[in-house]
Amino acid sequence: RKEVEQDPGPFNVPEGATVAFNCTYSNSASQSFFWYRQDCRKEPKLLMSVYSSGNEDGRFTAQLNRASQYISLLIRDSKLSDSATYLCVVTRNQFYFGTGTSLTVIP
Amino acid sequence: GAVVSQHPSWVICKSGTSVKIECRSLDFQATTMFWYRQFPKQSLMLMATSNEGSKATYEQGVEKDKFLINHASLTLSTLTVTSAHPEDSSFYICSAENTGDTQYFGPGTRLTVL
Repeated sequence: RKEVEQDPGPFNVPEGATVAFNCTYSNSASQSFFWYRQDCRKEPKLLMSVYSSGNEDGRFTAQLNRASQYISLLIRDSKLSDSATYLCVVTRNQFYFGTGTSLTVIP
Repeated sequence: GAVVSQHPSWVICKSGTSVKIECRSLDFQATTMFWYRQFPKQSLMLMATSNEGSKATYEQGVEKDKFLINHASLTLSTLTVTSAHPEDSSFYICSAENTGDTQYFGPGTRLTVL
């Protein structure tokens, strides 16, 4: 079973829409959780950390549910510049990456 | 945020040649650096963990004699793909661990082996 599973999408949404991504992880001993953003042919860049208490940064909200081993990312008021692949990352002695969810925001 | 550089950003080489990729942490010292590989439409896969002053730790299935890692200083790790073959063509990304549990990624090196 994969350490981290994500719906690969693609998600095609109009500008201004709200979109949610989900991710599940298999090992309950996982320690830290992140969302990274990866643009085409670029390196991943940290978007935000994820906590059980939730984490909000502007239009982005991330949530962790340890009981269900589930991580979410909500993007409100989508912008064209949000188009990218969003990677769910779980750590447990090393980083484990999901395959990413592709988002395209359409004008 | 912290800055990690990689060089070269892309390389095309003939089958059988060796390719060296450098990873540098520019504004912090990194005792640990990581090397990942990403094939098209797949996730990043950890190849090895590079520790300054000691041997690298390779993930299962990664040939240590083919992918030579040297972490000679707190700011530099190198990955050498020896006798590269077309199946080694991939996007190689390094990362460096700063304080806490955060990794900062280099811009990646796109390797194409003809």
